[in-house]
Amino acid sequence: QSALTQPRSVSGSPGQSVTISCTGTSSDVGGYNYVSWYQQHPGKAPKLIIYDVSKRPSGVPDRFSGSKSGNTASLTISGLQAEDEADYYCCSYAGAYTWVFGGGTNLAVL
Amino acid sequence: EVQLVESGGGLVEPGRSLRLSCTASGFTFGDYAMHWVRQVPGKGLEWVSTISWNSDIIGYADSVKGRFTVSRDNARNSLYLQMSSLRPDDTAKYYCAKDITPTPDAFDMWGQGTMVTVS
Repeated sequence: QSALTQPRSVSGSPGQSVTISCTGTSSDVGGYNYVSWYQQHPGKAPKLIIYDVSKRPSGVPDRFSGSKSGNTASLTISGLQAEDEADYYCCSYAGAYTWVFGGGTNLAVL
Repeated sequence: EVQLVESGGGLVEPGRSLRLSCTASGFTFGDYAMHWVRQVPGKGLEWVSTISWNSDIIGYADSVKGRFTVSRDNARNSLYLQMSSLRPDDTAKYYCAKDITPTPDAFDMWGQGTMVTVS
């Protein structure tokens, strides 16, 4: 159960697009379509923004999108807004009823 | 309003036990899988345990396997985490989270967490 690999930080200007990668192995990200993404603002509980690789829960703007290629999943945020500044975590099913999170990525909106 | 409220956290000595509870409201608790996730302040998220709607599917992180036990009481809308042989590296905020489906998939609603300090 090794943590998935995410960049420590990314940044973008309002209106731009950013992509956050999440790299695992064939035993987690590459082996299942149970990749989810969470947004966490300081002092707040995480919020689900993408599940099953690319599905958006009700109420999540379509500016947020997810994809996967091989052992790497990606979260793309288009039309960056100031309120998107937060920490983002990927998570994947890893078999045998276990899950693994990524280390988290801090998004700065410049 | 969907709500999850964790309780039972606190300061405990190494080697001792603690039982966390999570009380759900605003949805049919018995229809969904549930999870425990922890976070050391200032650090990342760590999945701890999962239990399906009917308790048939249970999973634990290697770091807690054999020490922690997850359970649920659908009649009481409650999720539990029995933690034993606690270690200083178990110190974290513990969140309970609701799944989007009856079987484990993703965590679509989170409580505000309860802090556990092992020292």
